[in-house]
Amino acid sequence: ILNVEQSPQSLHVQEGDSTNFTCSFPSSNFYALHWYRWETAKSPEALFVMTLNGDEKKKGRISATLNTKEGYSYLYIKGSQPEDSATYLCALFRDDKIIFGKGTRLHILP
Amino acid sequence: DAGVTQSPTHLIKTRGQHVTLRCSPISGHKSVSWYQQVLGQGPQFIFQYYEKEERGRGNFPDRFSARQFPNYSSELNVNALLLGDSALYLCASSFRGWAPVERSLYEQYFGPGTRLTVT
Repeated sequence: ILNVEQSPQSLHVQEGDSTNFTCSFPSSNFYALHWYRWETAKSPEALFVMTLNGDEKKKGRISATLNTKEGYSYLYIKGSQPEDSATYLCALFRDDKIIFGKGTRLHILP
Repeated sequence: DAGVTQSPTHLIKTRGQHVTLRCSPISGHKSVSWYQQVLGQGPQFIFQYYEKEERGRGNFPDRFSARQFPNYSSELNVNALLLGDSALYLCASSFRGWAPVERSLYEQYFGPGTRLTVT
């Protein structure tokens, strides 16, 4: 059974601090990894599509890296703001299936 | 441009009944995927349709079926509902489907979901 693990499950960060969390996945037959942000009462929103080992993507204060050989991706948020409070999901694309992790729930403390 | 739309927003059904959920993709998108999300879990992949053909299927029983219409909208059908089918059902559209050679380069855009409660 394929497993996509995200850690930590939950995170409390002071406003203004930077933070990061991890998505781990089986490295064999890798196709692509997607990161999504899911705010309460909204739809999941795509952040990054990552396909190549060593990929680094950035969108504003949020960035992500990918290591397909060891099977992990990091998501970084610089200078956390209240609007960053959300659940961050990673999703592994492999064969004809997509497997989501359970997400990291990020709470920004004022 | 309108985003992905789903109907209905909420639905309450009884065990054993049948339900149909609907999804309209973003204009120009030809792929629709369906997911089931239970509280505390990530979305579970159910189906992907691209150009009206099933291109992928998750580990769901045959009670779950779907189809895509010529206008690329989609329906998810669930027969013989069980209490465990209570969940948020999400639909996502993308420009193209993901297949072994296309390698899922395209972002997915999610709809607001349909909350199904089975009593």
